[in-house]
Amino acid sequence: QKEVEQDPGPLSVPEGAIVSLNCTYSNSAFQYFMWYRQYSRKGPELLMYTYSSGNKEDGRFTAQVDKSSKYISLFIRDSQPSDSATYLCAMMSDYKLSFGAGTTVTVRA
Amino acid sequence: EAGVTQSPTHLIKTRGQQATLRCSPISGHTSVYWYQQALGLGLQFLLWYDEGEERNRGNFPPRISGRQFPNYSSELNVNALELEDSALYLCASSATVNYGYTFGSGTRLTVV
Repeated sequence: QKEVEQDPGPLSVPEGAIVSLNCTYSNSAFQYFMWYRQYSRKGPELLMYTYSSGNKEDGRFTAQVDKSSKYISLFIRDSQPSDSATYLCAMMSDYKLSFGAGTTVTVRA
Repeated sequence: EAGVTQSPTHLIKTRGQQATLRCSPISGHTSVYWYQQALGLGLQFLLWYDEGEERNRGNFPPRISGRQFPNYSSELNVNALELEDSALYLCASSATVNYGYTFGSGTRLTVV
């Protein structure tokens, strides 16, 4: 079993829809949770960072962490074609980031 | 502020050869991380360097190694290249170990 599980998709939504992404994990030592966005042929870019259970909002993005269920989510409101990318969840313990496989999202105009 | 820079952008090598990949972190960042992103496998942790020392290593054979220089730039060496070493190699840096990393655009290594 992988430490971090993420459905690779692909996920295709119409412009303006809410995109919902999630990851589950098995390592209780994970303390810090992040979401990265990766465009084709580019390195991952940090979108959201949180270290506690609950919600964190930044513009159209909301990150949700439920440590009791070992489950994290990312919601993208009012999605735009420019949001089309691969989204990776990441979690840190022992100073090492472990990544999910990434979910490829396409937002159709 | 310049981001994390990696060179070369692309590298084509023959099986059995050695590859050297280079990374310059963001100014002021002392930690450098190396990840391998192979098709369908996600990002796999390779190495972490901080203040010139190797702090952590992923589950990879010793033919994959690296170092960090006094100016905090870093080099990744992959010896005795195999076809399965073909991947995007990403370097990242951070100012503190418990915060998110900033990634470079990567070096795409192709082994033929």
